[in-house]
Amino acid sequence: NAGVTQTPKFQVLKTGQSMTLQCAQDMNHEYMSWYRQDPGMGLRLIHYSVGAGITDQGEVPNGYNVSRSTTEDFPLRLLSAAPSQTSVYFCASSLRGGRETQYFGPGTRLLVL
Amino acid sequence: GDSVTQMEGPVTLSEEAFLTINCTYTATGYPSLFWYVQYPGEGLQLLLKATKADDKGSNKGFEATYRKETTSFHLEKGSVQVSDSAVYFCALSDGRDTGRRALTFGSGTRLQVQP
Repeated sequence: NAGVTQTPKFQVLKTGQSMTLQCAQDMNHEYMSWYRQDPGMGLRLIHYSVGAGITDQGEVPNGYNVSRSTTEDFPLRLLSAAPSQTSVYFCASSLRGGRETQYFGPGTRLLVL
Repeated sequence: GDSVTQMEGPVTLSEEAFLTINCTYTATGYPSLFWYVQYPGEGLQLLLKATKADDKGSNKGFEATYRKETTSFHLEKGSVQVSDSAVYFCALSDGRDTGRRALTFGSGTRLQVQP
């Protein structure tokens, strides 16, 4: 099993550009989520999905879109990048979320100039 | 809403020293509690967890006990190694069935162990 994979590892964008952060898991997990990690703030939930075709907003959803067309993939789209979106982004998955162990990808480091 | 408070870092220790990283939480219902560890350049991985009051989670020499009366889940290790240098996150999952099922994280504590 590859677990949770994320691409790219690092990306530089200019303000106003759009991009998609990819996330995939091969563990047949129903629950997937995106977090951003900022210094001194821990991880904050952006969006989550409890199954294919179902997504919902987390704590900090503004400026981001998600979709879940398959169980395996959960891409995160930045519509018009802003410097405030400079961060490290982590994708996570688990069988059903909640009390269960969540498995994290290696992260994508994004710099918006 | 739910929240997790961790001690500020960095924590710098010599090898074989005793480690305590404090974690307290605020939550309604009966949350599960977790410690995740992030090694340099990597994603987070579960270190240990406890799902109900008085449970003790343990792994790789680390321990933490779910104390409902003090709303705490402090991480301890009797003898740290250089390889334990990492960032440690305390987290909780909502004990209510709200549907979100996400984790609420503390701000993280960086541990540096010197030989």
